[in-house]
Amino acid sequence: GAGVSQTPSNKVTEKGKYVELRCDPISGHTALYWYRQSLGQGPEFLIYFQGTGAADDSGLPNDRFFAVRPEGSVSTLKIQRTERGDSAVYLCASSARTGNGELFFGEGSRLTVL
Amino acid sequence: GNSVTQMEGPVTLSEEAFLTINCTYTATGYPSLFWYVQYPGEGLQLLLKATKADDKGSNKGFEATYRKETTSFHLEKGSVQVSDSAVYFCALRVSGSARQLTFGSGTQLTVLP
Repeated sequence: GAGVSQTPSNKVTEKGKYVELRCDPISGHTALYWYRQSLGQGPEFLIYFQGTGAADDSGLPNDRFFAVRPEGSVSTLKIQRTERGDSAVYLCASSARTGNGELFFGEGSRLTVL
Repeated sequence: GNSVTQMEGPVTLSEEAFLTINCTYTATGYPSLFWYVQYPGEGLQLLLKATKADDKGSNKGFEATYRKETTSFHLEKGSVQVSDSAVYFCALRVSGSARQLTFGSGTQLTVLP
């Protein structure tokens, strides 16, 4: 009965570096979401996948951010040329289907850009 | 647009005290409303939800009633425990929105023995 798994749990990098964050959703969940949570704030939507395709990527802040889900299961969030403002906790969530609102969240990947 | 406003924290209570965390919303459509909870070291978990006006969501002694007339979804518990210490997030989802959830900023609750 594994839940949503995210790796790494913590990542410290230098400004300008490339970062990948991985999410392994609950088995059988077709919908996958990435959120970003800054200190003292609620999660903010980044991107949503239904199966392999990004159904809505309108929350990605700029073209340095990209996410893939090539086989409809594991997803990777990729951040190029990281900036200090990218420091946050990146949350992944999955759900069995869209529209019912019950998302299951991972514990998040804390990214710190020095 | 859609937004959720929560009462500012942190909130500190003694065990067995009554809890209210206020939540109001603005939505372009007809939303479903949720409370999520984040315990220390864990991911967000759904606490309760309500999908239409006057519905009451309840779980683990917590309750919240969907009030369309006041656009509110306040979280209440009659007697809090130390184990309720967590961050509580109010959230909404508008039908048809693939973004699913719009969250409030969260309210940190600490319950002292």
